[in-house]
Amino acid sequence: KAGVTQTPRYLIKTRGQQVTLSCSPISGHRSVSWYQQTPGQGLQFLFEYFSETQRNKGNFPGRFSGRQFSNSRSEMNVSTLELGDSALYLCASSLESSGEQETQYFGPGTRLLVL
Amino acid sequence: GDSVTQMEGPVTLSEEAFLTINCTYTATGYPSLFWYVQYPGEGLQLLLKATKADDKGSNKGFEATYRKETTSFHLEKGSVQVSDSAVYFCALGAYGNNRLAFGKGNQVVVIP
Repeated sequence: KAGVTQTPRYLIKTRGQQVTLSCSPISGHRSVSWYQQTPGQGLQFLFEYFSETQRNKGNFPGRFSGRQFSNSRSEMNVSTLELGDSALYLCASSLESSGEQETQYFGPGTRLLVL
Repeated sequence: GDSVTQMEGPVTLSEEAFLTINCTYTATGYPSLFWYVQYPGEGLQLLLKATKADDKGSNKGFEATYRKETTSFHLEKGSVQVSDSAVYFCALGAYGNNRLAFGKGNQVVVIP
């Protein structure tokens, strides 16, 4: 079974631009979560989507948004990019978001550099 | 809120040495605990997990036991190899919530 895939793998943008990152979960997985990884702040949770609905949201400004499609694929968007948004963005999928804590499987990430 | 604390700083050791990485957590309820590993230029790979107190997770020679009394989930390996060089993250997931809280990670360097 194919793993979590993320596109693009690398991206360079300039301040003020916007960017869209894509994530395809493992087949059959319905929950998709996004994380930001930086050297200073480590791994921080952005948001989680399940059945096209945002279920959880981390402490990030409204410039960060996401969505999920009916096939469980997800996108995240960052508008008005700032230098501090340079990071590795990781997507993770899990089987479902029920009462139990499901194991999350991570993609390789998209490395965003903002100049 | 829920949080995870890992020991500070990188860990450098010789091949075949014993590895321990400390992880403690703060959480309400009954979280699940995970260790993830990240190799250079890659995403996170699940190394092992434990879902309730006294459970022992194990994989590839690594072990960690969920200790509720000490709120700890320390990672151990009896004999490390150069290929174990990576960054190791301890993580916590609350029941009914797919939001993971991660520790800062520990860079492990194994010298031949």
